[in-house]
Amino acid sequence: AQKITQTQPGMFVQEKEAVTLDCTYDTSDQSYGLFWYKQPSSGEMIFLIYQGSYDEQNATEGRYSLNFQKARKSANLVISASQLGDSAMYFCAMRDRTNMGRRALTFGSGTRLQVQP
Amino acid sequence: DARVTQTPRHKVTEMGQEVTMRCQPILGHNTVFWYRQTMMQGLELLAYFRNRAPLDDSGMPKDRFSAEMPDATLATLKIQPSEPRDSAVYFCASGLDRVRVNTEAFFGQGTRLTVV
Repeated sequence: AQKITQTQPGMFVQEKEAVTLDCTYDTSDQSYGLFWYKQPSSGEMIFLIYQGSYDEQNATEGRYSLNFQKARKSANLVISASQLGDSAMYFCAMRDRTNMGRRALTFGSGTRLQVQP
Repeated sequence: DARVTQTPRHKVTEMGQEVTMRCQPILGHNTVFWYRQTMMQGLELLAYFRNRAPLDDSGMPKDRFSAEMPDATLATLKIQPSEPRDSAVYFCASGLDRVRVNTEAFFGQGTRLTVV
C-alpha cells in the first residue's frame, strides 16, 4: 500500500482564493511527522509546514495551515489567499519508522497547483 | 541563514565516468538524506544517515552507488560508473531527529545530473 497518497495530480485556483491540497497516509507507527514541501519550476524543494502525530493543534505557518485529521489519516494543506507565486508542485511527506526501526522521509506523487489571475 | 548546500548544481558527464556529489548539511542537524527525483519515479530515497552512520541505503543500487559521511559537515554520493539512466536531480536533505519527534527536514537545491 502507498504510504503517502496525493489524489489530485493537478489543481487550479483563482488568485486570492483558498485551496486545499489532499494528502492521506498509512502508518502503524504511533509517532510520526507529516511535512509539506513546495517545488517551484526552479526545482528547489521548499519546506512549508510540519505536523507531529502528537500535536493536538493543527500547524499553521503564515498562509499555510495543515488540516490534520488523525483518525482519518489525512493531512491536507490549506493555502489561504492564493498568490500567483504559489503556482508550483506540492509534495506531502511522512517520517515514520520503517520495518527496521529507522525513520525515513517518504513522499507522495505531488499535486501541481496553478494559480490563475 | 542556515541552509543545505549541494555541489555541483549541474553536472554533465559521459557514460562510464565517476560522478561525486557533495552536501553540506545544516550545522547541528544529525540526519542526512539523499534523494533522487525523476519524472517517472518521483522522489526516491537513496540513503539515510543519522549521526554519520548509514541507517538505510536499501534504495541505492549497490553495484555503482556509494554514500558516505566523512565528517559531520560533509556527505557524499558517488556513482561509478555512471549510466544514462542515472540522469536525474539528486537532492540532499538534513534534519534533526529527537527522541520522539522529527520537526525539521530541509533540502538543498539539488544536483542536476545528465549522463550522456
